[in-house]
Amino acid sequence: AQSVAQPEDQVNVAEGNPLTVKCTYSVSGNPYLFWYVQYPNRGLQFLLKYITGDNLVKGSYGFEAEFNKSQTSFHLKKPSALVSDSALYFCAVRDYNSGNTPLVFGKGTRLSVIA
Amino acid sequence: SAVISQKPSRDICQRGTSLTIQCQVDSQVTMMFWYRQQPGQSLTLIATANQGSEATYESGFVIDKFPISRPNLTFSTLTVSNMSPEDSSIYLCSVDQGGVGELFFGEGSRLTVL
Repeated sequence: AQSVAQPEDQVNVAEGNPLTVKCTYSVSGNPYLFWYVQYPNRGLQFLLKYITGDNLVKGSYGFEAEFNKSQTSFHLKKPSALVSDSALYFCAVRDYNSGNTPLVFGKGTRLSVIA
Repeated sequence: SAVISQKPSRDICQRGTSLTIQCQVDSQVTMMFWYRQQPGQSLTLIATANQGSEATYESGFVIDKFPISRPNLTFSTLTVSNMSPEDSSIYLCSVDQGGVGELFFGEGSRLTVL
């Protein structure tokens, strides 16, 4: 069975500093990996995905994530945080080798960017 | 990307009643998913709804409690039946357009059961 772990419930960072939100995954086959963001009282917005190819993927709003197969990680990063980045971030995984399996989400990490 | 509209956006319901949530997509999609997000929690898949077939429910969710309709390729409904305070959650409709698992979500329906 596939699973996702987001070890931090909360990440605090000063505006202008780099940010990292951690994610590790477990699948039996090859993973499809995703990051979503949820602003207060809103649905989820897709940020970026890793399917295959370059391990560093770039997404919306200046975010990027690095796929590390040996560490089974897919950490979300941004070089310079903005106060407007404050939101709830979800990592998700799907097992490529298991057909149309559902997307499994981590428990979420709340990012707080302080001015 | 697909534009997904959900109704109602929020509601306050009485214990024992039922509420139907509607999900409308601006394009035809094969697979639609219903998720639940309980307060302070992650998203849990309730069921997968494909047009022309019965919905497939995840462990812990049953059709009597969460009946789903999928009459065509752009519309689905989720009913939360005989509600209790434990059903207070955000219910999210999502669709798979890309074929590689990238889901698009509606804004969610926030239900509060008193």
